Amino acid sequence: GESVGLHLPTLSVQEGDNSIINCAYSNSASDYFIWYKQESGKGPQFIIDIRSNMDKRQGQRVTVLLNKTVKHLSLQIAATQPGDSAVYFCAENLNTGNQFYFGTGTSLTVIP
Amino acid sequence: NAGVTQTPKFQVLKTGQSMTLQCAQDMNHNSMYWYRQDPGMGLRLIYYSASEGTTDKGEVPNGYNVSRLNKREFSLRLESAAPSQTSVYFCASSVDGVSPLHFGNGTRLTVT
Repeated sequence: GESVGLHLPTLSVQEGDNSIINCAYSNSASDYFIWYKQESGKGPQFIIDIRSNMDKRQGQRVTVLLNKTVKHLSLQIAATQPGDSAVYFCAENLNTGNQFYFGTGTSLTVIP
Repeated sequence: NAGVTQTPKFQVLKTGQSMTLQCAQDMNHNSMYWYRQDPGMGLRLIYYSASEGTTDKGEVPNGYNVSRLNKREFSLRLESAAPSQTSVYFCASSVDGVSPLHFGNGTRLTVT
């Protein structure tokens, strides 16, 4: 099946800076995308999602951008805090529904 | 509201032993999923159940069976455990298969 990949496995940022985590997907039939945060010893937690009829969606301190032309997804975290340190995954869902494919994850470390 | 509950949290098996991982959700979700998470490989879908009474294979179904016991419960069975099945197993649910997944906190399984 198709897989979702991430450009960078690790990312370190200074507290207060903005973070950008990237994700590439290869299946043009995917029409729904989700970003998850996973802290050590816990299950992934939903952060934000976006459907393919949108280019941008904003939440609290987070923004997801979708570029369907190059099959690229990004998560922007504003004013990164120590509590944002975690592994971040993107997931894609084919328009047939039910099957979510996950990337390998990016580990974000926030330096106080 | 407990969300998605998985039991047990930890398990050690010997090669060839069998066991069942339990999962229950109290959100009245229709779709349920089993994923495994290995270092550097993200989450991979084992089996899913789009609705009560149906189950389907995901990316890595070999060596596993599932049962959708009712709308709340979805169990994963290893009939003859192998060391390659050492992993962290996550159960998840979704309202309808095209909405965000809600994850449990995982079962860490070691097969020796």
